[in-house]
Amino acid sequence: NAGVMQNPRHLVRRRGQEARLRCSPMKGHSHVYWYRQLPEEGLKFMVYLQKENIIDESGMPKERFSAEFPKEGPSILRIQQVVRGDSAAYFCASSPSETSTDTQYFGPGTRLTVL
Amino acid sequence: GESVGLHLPTLSVQEGDNSIINCAYSNSASDYFIWYKQESGKGPQFIIDIRSNMDKRQGQRVTVLLNKTVKHLSLQIAATQPGDSAVYFCAENIMTNEKLTFGTGTRLTIIP
Repeated sequence: NAGVMQNPRHLVRRRGQEARLRCSPMKGHSHVYWYRQLPEEGLKFMVYLQKENIIDESGMPKERFSAEFPKEGPSILRIQQVVRGDSAAYFCASSPSETSTDTQYFGPGTRLTVL
Repeated sequence: GESVGLHLPTLSVQEGDNSIINCAYSNSASDYFIWYKQESGKGPQFIIDIRSNMDKRQGQRVTVLLNKTVKHLSLQIAATQPGDSAVYFCAENIMTNEKLTFGTGTRLTIIP
């Protein structure tokens, strides 16, 4: 009974490079959420997706960040031209349906370090 | 406002004692609340949740209390164990909005 899977667990990029973070939701879950966490802080919502649709991207920076959740395959959070301020832990969560009180289950996160 | 770059509040409890972690939420429209536990280097782990039509809910060794009048949430952990050492976050959600809003977090340390 696999949980939410994220890879890579650690990612190092130089300034200006691209970062691609992948998230496979729990089996049977069709809703994916991405959050960002800085050290010693709580998680901050970035984007909510369903298969092939972005439902809420109110927490996403307007530039350089994009997310997708294709019909087949994992959800991808893409950060173009990374800067040092992008260094953080990025967590993905999934839930089974659109009911707002469905629990979101989190993956282990991807720790991005920008040199 | 948000606290940026500040150290987390900490709570140290002797092993076997009970602990209470508090959280003040900001949005009176929130109607679903969750407590998560986060160990170092790991993702948040669901502990217990409560809807706004309840004021108390119990799980295994954990109890969540909700006071909507003062917008306060607490997590009680009974008979604490070393494995309870972690950062605990409360999160809130509004029925018409899917995103979770997380609190600052509290670092709980269990003293053997």
